[in-house]
Amino acid sequence: KQEVTQIPAALSVPEGENLVLNCSFTDSAIYNLQWFRQDPGKGLTSLLLIQSSQREQTSGRLNASLDKSSGRSTLYIAASQPGDSATYLCAVRPGNFNKFYFGSGTKLNVKP
Amino acid sequence: NAGVTQTPKFRVLKTGQSMTLLCAQDMNHEYMYWYRQDPGMGLRLIHYSVGEGTTAKGEVPDGYNVSRLKKQNFLLGLESAAPSQTSVYFCASSSTGGVGGYTFGSGTRLTVV
Repeated sequence: KQEVTQIPAALSVPEGENLVLNCSFTDSAIYNLQWFRQDPGKGLTSLLLIQSSQREQTSGRLNASLDKSSGRSTLYIAASQPGDSATYLCAVRPGNFNKFYFGSGTKLNVKP
Repeated sequence: NAGVTQTPKFRVLKTGQSMTLLCAQDMNHEYMYWYRQDPGMGLRLIHYSVGEGTTAKGEVPDGYNVSRLKKQNFLLGLESAAPSQTSVYFCASSSTGGVGGYTFGSGTRLTVV
């Protein structure tokens, strides 16, 4: 069974810092990986989707990378803002099954 | 474009009561999923459907039933609610089994007392 781990569980940074969130998975035979943002009491908003054949995806200040062989993905947030405060979840879709495995998330707090 | 809509948004049930959560999507997606989210445990798959008229069990199916009579709707039923089913429930859909990623609803917060 695929295991997805996100470290750290919580992170607090001052506004303006660049930061990296980590996601690791145990089975490298994945189809794709998706990063989500969840605000308190809200649903999940998709940020970036990386297919297994891709190395990275970018959207604005966000950049997600994927290293399948090492079972790792990182989400890089440039010039963080208080509005970036949320929980960030990564989800992995195995190659042979049509559902995602989720990590427990990293709760980010960006201090003004 | 509404995406994935869940009703109700909040509900309080007494132990032993029954209820149905409704998920509706307007993206013509084949695949639909029900997850529950609990503190410290992440999102866990309850049931899913790969098309109209089909359902399958996920990781934590006990105590729940589902139906997919119409392609756009996926219903999650609790026949006899228990306090352990207090959770936030999320519905999601995808066009091709997650190949293009998931779209999530905004969730239903259920409390069983």
